[in-house]
Amino acid sequence: SQKIEQNSEALNIQEGKTATLTCNYTNYSPAYLQWYRQDPGRGPVFLLLIRENEKEKRKERLKVTFDTTLKQSLFHITASQPADSATYLCALLNQAGTALIFGKGTTLSVSS
Amino acid sequence: EAGVAQSPRYKIIEKRQSVAFWCNPISGHATLYWYQQILGQGPKLLIQFQNNGVVDDSQLPKDRFSAERLKGVDSTLKIQPAKLEDSAVYLCASSLDLRAEAFFGQGTRLTVV
Repeated sequence: SQKIEQNSEALNIQEGKTATLTCNYTNYSPAYLQWYRQDPGRGPVFLLLIRENEKEKRKERLKVTFDTTLKQSLFHITASQPADSATYLCALLNQAGTALIFGKGTTLSVSS
Repeated sequence: EAGVAQSPRYKIIEKRQSVAFWCNPISGHATLYWYQQILGQGPKLLIQFQNNGVVDDSQLPKDRFSAERLKGVDSTLKIQPAKLEDSAVYLCASSLDLRAEAFFGQGTRLTVV
């Protein structure tokens, strides 16, 4: 069955640095991959979607890459700020295309 | 635009009792999801509807969990009887279709004692 691994449970960085989060998946290659942000006590909020034919996508200080050979997506936050502290989740459609499944998430802490 | 509405926000019940959660998705969204999120883990899909039909319920513990989406709009998720391990946040989300981004409600935090 489809597996998603976000291999860092927690990431601590200093303000102004670039945060890089990793999402690896196994078995098949999805048509696209999504990234969400979740703050404590709240539901996830959609950030970016990247399709299999897109190598890279940017939105303000966010950048996502999608390497279908490595079965990996990288999520970057440049010039990080304490307000970026949250849990970041990656998600993709399962092989049957019937369910949006999520990774465990990586909790980012940005210190000033 | 109104977001996804869920109620109640919090619920505490004793084991073996029953509980129901309600979700009102964003207007016009055909796809509706119910997720269970245990503390420290990512959301786990319980059931996914497309309009009022079930697309995926492979992870739903059908001996105790049930869900319906009447008229392809609002949805309810029921647990009967509840177990201690059902303590979690239950998230409802909706999207325009299966391939669009999902919009989440704030969730219902269930505590089973």
